[in-house]
Amino acid sequence: QKEVEQDPGPLSVPEGAIVSLNCTYSNSAFQYFMWYRQYSRKGPELLMYTYSSGNKEDGRFTAQVDKSSKYISLFIRDSQPSDSATYLCAMSEGAQKLVFGQGTRLTINP
Amino acid sequence: GAGVSQTPSNKVTEKGKYVELRCDPISGHTALYWYRQSLGQGPEFLIYFQGTGAADDSGLPNDRFFAVRPEGSVSTLKIQRTERGDSAVYLCASGFRLSNQPQHFGDGTRLSIL
Repeated sequence: QKEVEQDPGPLSVPEGAIVSLNCTYSNSAFQYFMWYRQYSRKGPELLMYTYSSGNKEDGRFTAQVDKSSKYISLFIRDSQPSDSATYLCAMSEGAQKLVFGQGTRLTINP
Repeated sequence: GAGVSQTPSNKVTEKGKYVELRCDPISGHTALYWYRQSLGQGPEFLIYFQGTGAADDSGLPNDRFFAVRPEGSVSTLKIQRTERGDSAVYLCASGFRLSNQPQHFGDGTRLSIL
C-alpha cells in the first residue's frame, strides 16, 4: 500500500462546477500538506500549503486537512477551462522529502 | 533567475551511456531536492541537499545514481550506465530549510534512454 493514495481519474466537469479532489494517507507523522498543479510538460506549481488540520482558502481554492481521518481535500469553485491540469497532493514530516499522490487528471469543459 | 532552472530540458541517449542533469535553484534557497516522475505517476524523491551535503539520499535507486552540490548552489544529478528503465522526467526543487516554507519546482529534464 502506498503512503499517499490519490484517485488518478480522469475527472471531467463542466465549466463553473465545483471540483472536489482528495487524498488519503497512512503516515500519522505528516504535518505539512500541499497541493500542486501540473500542466503538461511543466513542473509542479504550488497551489496551497497548509500545516496540520484545518481549512485554508485562497481565491477560488480551498484546502482542507483532517488529520484524525488522514484525509485531505482541495475544492475549486467556479472552475475554468484553464484549471484543466493534473493535481498532485503532497505531504511531508518537515523540511524534508515530499511524498506525492499519483495525481488526478482534471478536465474542465467549456 | 526567478525560478528553478533545469538543463537540458530534453535528453535522448543510448542505453549504457553516462548522463548529467543540471539544476540551478532559486537564489538564496539552501535546500535542494531531486525527484523522478514516471508517466502517469507522482514525483518520487531521490535525494535532498542541505547546503553542500546530502542530508538524505535514501531515494536513489542504486549506485548508478549520484548527485553533487559542491558550492551549495547548482546541483548535478549523474547517472552511469543508463538503462531503459531510467527514462523519466527528473525534477529539481529548492526551498528554505525551515519546515514552514514549501518547495518550488523546475520544469524538469525529460530523459529518454533508447
